Amino acid sequence: GAGVSQSPRYKVAKRGQDVALRCDPISGHVSLFWYQQALGQGPEFLTYFQNEAQLDKSGLPSDRFFAERPEGSVSTLKIQRTQQEDSAVYLCASSLFSSAQVSGNTIYFGEGSWLTVV
Amino acid sequence: AQKVTQAQTEISVVEKEDVTLDCVYETRDTTYYLFWYKQPPSGELVFLIRRNSFDEQNEISGRYSWNFQKSTSSFNFTITASQVVDSAVYFCALSEAGLSNFGNEKLTFGTGTRLTIIP
Repeated sequence: GAGVSQSPRYKVAKRGQDVALRCDPISGHVSLFWYQQALGQGPEFLTYFQNEAQLDKSGLPSDRFFAERPEGSVSTLKIQRTQQEDSAVYLCASSLFSSAQVSGNTIYFGEGSWLTVV
Repeated sequence: AQKVTQAQTEISVVEKEDVTLDCVYETRDTTYYLFWYKQPPSGELVFLIRRNSFDEQNEISGRYSWNFQKSTSSFNFTITASQVVDSAVYFCALSEAGLSNFGNEKLTFGTGTRLTIIP
């Protein structure tokens, strides 16, 4: 499809297990974002890529969280030794330009990966 | 630090009524961008509008309209003649896009307003 694609859509992990969440942004989009959305809350910023460069990882909650985008397209968010507090929806988003000041630089979101840690 | 407040947690209206969703924001930047997104049960955030801080003109798109008032730091969203398909969670968001942040348009979201349209 033409939108942002995320997989898996649903993941149940046992506490302590490592998980990897994949994001396929819209083709040609320079900027890629990861957000975490807890139940009943708004999304919260995790990290930002401009092509393959991770320019902002200030929102990653701990060093158990790691994100990469090695070829500037597909991105993976990895969570090591998952904890129950990691249960959330992880949203990926992309935009065509790298500058917010470009008029009409819309940010498109995927449907999210719903992670439950038991 | 920037902040977005959506004081209305849940709203229910009968179909065909008009409804306004409130959004109040805080920022120290003079250049910023405001957004509304719709989140249906599927989970995807659907883009509705983006407005920059220099454009205070109100906007209308079909049954949707937005009222941006810098003086009160508000960016309210009105749906006229509501329909059942409008039922969703609506998020207001803010980005500060100064030259110092490498074009990182990271969004600060409010906590959302769950809108239920009763048939």
